[in-house]
Amino acid sequence: AQSVTQPDIHITVSEGASLELRCNYSYGATPYLFWYVQSPGQGLQLLLKYFSGDTLVQGIKGFEAEFKRSQSSFNLRKPSVHWSDAAEYFCAVVASSNTGKLIFGQGTTLQVKP
Amino acid sequence: ETGVTQTPRHLVMGMTNKKSLKCEQHLGHNAMYWYKQSAKKPLELMFVYNFKEQTENNSVPSRFSPECPNSSHLFLHLHTLQPEDSALYLCASSQPGLRAHNEQFFGPGTRLTVL
Repeated sequence: AQSVTQPDIHITVSEGASLELRCNYSYGATPYLFWYVQSPGQGLQLLLKYFSGDTLVQGIKGFEAEFKRSQSSFNLRKPSVHWSDAAEYFCAVVASSNTGKLIFGQGTTLQVKP
Repeated sequence: ETGVTQTPRHLVMGMTNKKSLKCEQHLGHNAMYWYKQSAKKPLELMFVYNFKEQTENNSVPSRFSPECPNSSHLFLHLHTLQPEDSALYLCASSQPGLRAHNEQFFGPGTRLTVL
């Protein structure tokens, strides 16, 4: 069965520092992968997605993610974090292209220190 | 209005009440979803509708009853809920298709508290 694991529940980084959020997936074929961000009291916003092709994908707000099939990973990165990036981040994998069902990881809460 | 809207944003109800959550999408999509987000738990898919037909019911208790009268509107009718049903309920929409189907756009959610 498909699954998504985000090993880090909570991460704190200093403003201006680099960031990497980990995501590991379990899926039999080539996965469709997403990263979403959720600010407090808000819904989820799509940051970026991977369907096929170039394994390094660029997203909004300066984020990027790299798909590594050998490691079953899709880690999210940002070279310099801003205080406004403090939020919860979710990795997701498509479970069914027919129905659009997504499976989400448990999320990583990012705290940014001034 | 743009994107996906949800009303009410906050709801407090007793266990014997009946209430409904409303979701409306202004994106021209034909698939809509209900998710439950509880503290410290992954986002749980509840229901999926494609072209107004229910295509996924993730073993949701019958005290939650979805309704999709058209592709733009989705309701979640609530009755005799339990305190553990308190959560953020998120609605999402997407456009069916090989890839677009999986790019879901989310509403801001309804924060439900069951007393």
